[in-house]
This record gives sequence, C-alpha cells and structure tokens, in this order.
Amino acid sequence: GAVVSQHPSWVICKSGTSVKIECRSLDFQATTMFWYRQFPKQSLMLMATSNEGSKATYEQGVEKDKFLINHASLTLSTLTVTSAHPEDSSFYICSASQTDIGYTFGSGTRLTVV
Amino acid sequence: GQNIDQPTEMTATEGAIVQINCTYQTSGFNGLFWYQQHAGEAPTFLSYNVLDGLEEKGRFSSFLSRSKGYSYLLLKELQMKDSASYLCAVKDSNYQLIWGAGTKLIIKP
Repeated sequence: GAVVSQHPSWVICKSGTSVKIECRSLDFQATTMFWYRQFPKQSLMLMATSNEGSKATYEQGVEKDKFLINHASLTLSTLTVTSAHPEDSSFYICSASQTDIGYTFGSGTRLTVV
Repeated sequence: GQNIDQPTEMTATEGAIVQINCTYQTSGFNGLFWYQQHAGEAPTFLSYNVLDGLEEKGRFSSFLSRSKGYSYLLLKELQMKDSASYLCAVKDSNYQLIWGAGTKLIIKP
C-alpha cells in the first residue's frame, strides 16, 4: 500500500529559529502533497497544497513567507517554518494520494517552540 | 460557505454498536471519507463513499445519502482500541478535502 514517511516525529526549537519538516512518498510518486496543521482537540486545517515543480498553493490566512514549501521531486516535499514562535507550536501533518481515493498521511510532526 | 457537522463527543460500551453521523453542505461533491485518528497520531483511512448506500468493511460500515447530505459511520462489536477521534471529510467540486471537526469516541468497559 501507499506509504508516506514524515520526519522528524517531534522537534523542540528556540523561538526565532527555523525548522524543516520532510514528507516522502516511499512507494509511489506524488505530484501533489498536502500540508496540514492541527491544534489540540481541533480538526485538520489545510495550510497549503504542494505541487511538484511549481509553487505551492496556500490557503487563506497562511503566510507563504513563514511556511516555505518546496516540492523538488515526485517523492519529496518539505515544509520549513521560518522564524518560529511559540504560537507556531502545533502538530503538522502531510498527506499524499496515489489514486483519487484514500489519501495517505505521514505520521505527523509535533513542533514545540520555546 | 462549506460546512461539515458531526457530534463533538460520543460514549459507548465495549461490545456494543455506535453510529457516528456526519452532515455536510459543500460546493459540489466528489466523495466522502471517514478517518480514524488516535491522540497524537496521524489519521488513518477507514472508508470512502461516492455513491449512495452502505459500504461494509469488517466491523466498520459507512453509509451515504447524497440527496440528504448525510453519512454515518457504524462501528460494531466495539473494542477499547476503538477509542479515538473519527473524522468525516468531503471532497468538493475542486477536489479539495473539507474536514469536519471530528467526533471523539470514548469506549467504556
């Protein structure tokens, strides 16, 4: 089955630093990957759609200069949280789809900014 | 606007049956998904409905009525490990997933 690998699983960083999160599709090519953020006891919120070889499409209210997305290959998308602040602490999850159904999620990254 | 409604929390007893409802109002419809999410983990795929009717998969079944904008997830023979949040999501006319807030299911012995 389709597998999406996400690293790191958790990260603690100091306020003002940048953090990179990787999302890889291990056994299929993903021209499109999705990045979500989830705050405690809330649902998934789509941040951006990452398209291989082109610029990401950001949802309204998401700062593209703060959340840098790079989708350089068909199997790798990265999300960089720049100049992180405590309010950026959240659970970040990527997903990809091999077919029209059954989006597969990465294991998620718990980011804590101190 | 687009909206997906599901109960915030439900409680059920081990071995029993529980039905989690989901109603939606979206711009177009290209399928409805149910996902299970344990605390601190990513969601895992449970079911997909695009046509009206019931889809059965082991202890889990999912029903869809497009005319009513309604779906439910039915869990039978509940086990303690079924304690989790259950997320309903609809793919709209732009093939974008719209997510419900999730239903936290608590299973008691």
